[in-house]
Formats: sequence, C-alpha cells, structure tokens
Amino acid sequence: GENVEQHPSTLSVQEGDSAVIKCTYSDSASNYFPWYKQELGKRPQLIIDIRSNVGEKKDQRIAVTLNKTAKHFSLHITETQPEDSAVYFCAASPVTGGGNKLTFGTGTQLKVEL
Amino acid sequence: GAVVSQHPSRVICKSGTSVKIECRSLDFQATTMFWYRQFPKQSLMLMATSNEGSKATYEQGVEKDKFLINHASLTLSTLTVTSAHPEDSSFYICSANALDRDYGYTFGSGTRLTVV
Repeated sequence: GENVEQHPSTLSVQEGDSAVIKCTYSDSASNYFPWYKQELGKRPQLIIDIRSNVGEKKDQRIAVTLNKTAKHFSLHITETQPEDSAVYFCAASPVTGGGNKLTFGTGTQLKVEL
Repeated sequence: GAVVSQHPSRVICKSGTSVKIECRSLDFQATTMFWYRQFPKQSLMLMATSNEGSKATYEQGVEKDKFLINHASLTLSTLTVTSAHPEDSSFYICSANALDRDYGYTFGSGTRLTVV
C-alpha cells in the first residue's frame, strides 16, 4: 500500500518568514495530493491540493509543488502569520475509480513566532 | 459545500461498554465512508473503508469484531466501538467520498472518546 513520509515533524519560523514542508510517497499510482491544516481537537481542513497533471499550484500565500518522477511534493507558505500555527498533514490518494483511500503523512507542527 | 455531520463530539464511557458514533452526509450521497483514528500528536490512521450496502474493508491490525461499521444508506455510516477499553480512547473521525465528486473528501467534526 501507499506510504507517505513527511518532514520536518516540527518547524518554527519567525512571523513573515517562509515555511516549507516536504512529503514523499511510494505508490506511483497516486495522483491526488492534498494538504490539510488541523487545529487541536478539530477536523482537518483542506488548504490546497494538486493533481499529477500539474507541477505547481498557488493560492495566495500557499503553494504546492509536485515532482512525480521523484515522488515528492512540498507545501510552501510565504509571509507566515501567527494564525498559520497548526499541524499540517500531507496526503496521497490513488485513482481507483471512486472511493479512493487517502493516506496521510505523519504531520508537521508549525509554530509561527512573533 | 458538502457537509458531514458527526455525533457525538465527545463521549465518556466505562470500560466494557459499547459506543456508537454516527456520520451523516447532509447534502450529498456518501458512496464511500472512511473511518480514521487519531491518537494525541499523531497522524490520522485509516481504520476501515465502507461502501454503502456492503461489508467494510478493515486495515491490517484493526479488529473488525471490535470496531463494527455499518453503512446501510448513502447518507449514514456508523462506527460502534464494542467492549471499549482505555486504550481505545482516541479521536475518531469519518470522511465521506462520493463517486460523483472527483477526489472530494469531506471530514466529519470528529468524536473524542474517553474510556474510563
């Protein structure tokens, strides 16, 4: 099955700096890669996703890059703000015709310091 | 947008009792429901996948007789933790996926289970 690795496990940045979180996956059949932000005790919130037919996607301060050959994808947050502090998870899903199983990375605790 | 309602949000039960958690898709048909468990400071681990009208598929290491899943309709899936023990205390969360929603995953709000 799919195995998703995520680094770093913790990340501290100064407000205004950029943050980068990296993930690798093992299943070449995976072609959907979402990123989630989870606050304590809450459900994961989708912040951005990318599909394998594109290499990069951007939404305001958030961007995701995908390298299918190397099987890795990254989340980039620019101009970080204190409210960006949370746990971030990457995930990967293969195409199976519907009912696709989503495998999560191990998570990154991001702390944005004033 | 798509909404999945999950209840209860918190439950405390005694060891040996059973607890039922419900997830309802409010505005779409949830062809597939995924059940995850999340221990403190850990990732979401998939427990099982259920498709409406058929038996759930459990991940390796998850006891199907302990975690009973029912997906009797396209809008309701339930997870029953039977004979709960303190080690079952965790955050349980469902995620719905519909065949007509390309790659879409909608998460419930989660259930914090504490077994005392």
